[in-house]
Amino acid sequence: GAVVSQHPSWVICKSGTSVKIECRSLDFQATTMFWYRQFPKQSLMLMATSNEGSKATYEQGVEKDKFLINHASLTLSTLTVTSAHPEDSSFYICSASKVRGSTEAFFGQGTRLTVV
Amino acid sequence: GENVEQHPSTLSVQEGDSAVIKCTYSDSASNYFPWYKQELGKRPQLIIDIRSNVGEKKDQRIAVTLNKTAKHFSLHITETQPEDSAVYFCAASTGTASKLTFGTGTRLQVTL
Repeated sequence: GAVVSQHPSWVICKSGTSVKIECRSLDFQATTMFWYRQFPKQSLMLMATSNEGSKATYEQGVEKDKFLINHASLTLSTLTVTSAHPEDSSFYICSASKVRGSTEAFFGQGTRLTVV
Repeated sequence: GENVEQHPSTLSVQEGDSAVIKCTYSDSASNYFPWYKQELGKRPQLIIDIRSNVGEKKDQRIAVTLNKTAKHFSLHITETQPEDSAVYFCAASTGTASKLTFGTGTRLQVTL
């Protein structure tokens, strides 16, 4: 199989605090992971590409200093939302592929972030 | 970059009828086109995909067609059932390790 697990599934935090979301590939190694954001009733929008051992590549309009990505191992990428504000409230989902160059994406279960 | 448009945004069909959802893409380099079903608060589920060297693919009640010349692809669901009710997303990729551009989504409602 190909299982991607995200943690936590949901989190509530106060404005101004930081939140870390983990994305793990449980039964395969992933040199590349992707982070998406989905607002209610909207589509998934790619935020950034997380590359193991190197800097993440951010999509246009995504603030790299606000959304910190670390991909320190072949099975773990983390997304930290820094100084969160209510407008950052969203559903964050990661994905990974099993082999380099593969097109099939395996998604984590998503993290519902609510900033109050 | 790639741009994927999807229509309709909502679709209501009676149980047993067929449903068709259409997508167009802009990047002629795209070569992988998956379709996902997403239930509220859940991860997207791959239901079928097609690669650019194939024109049509079928899996039981679900089929996808691809017209590379026109840059559009469609999802066909036959004999719809209430459990088919969900949001469906098309996506396109140039094959770079599953970096996907998603369509805007179609909310399918199958009524009894």
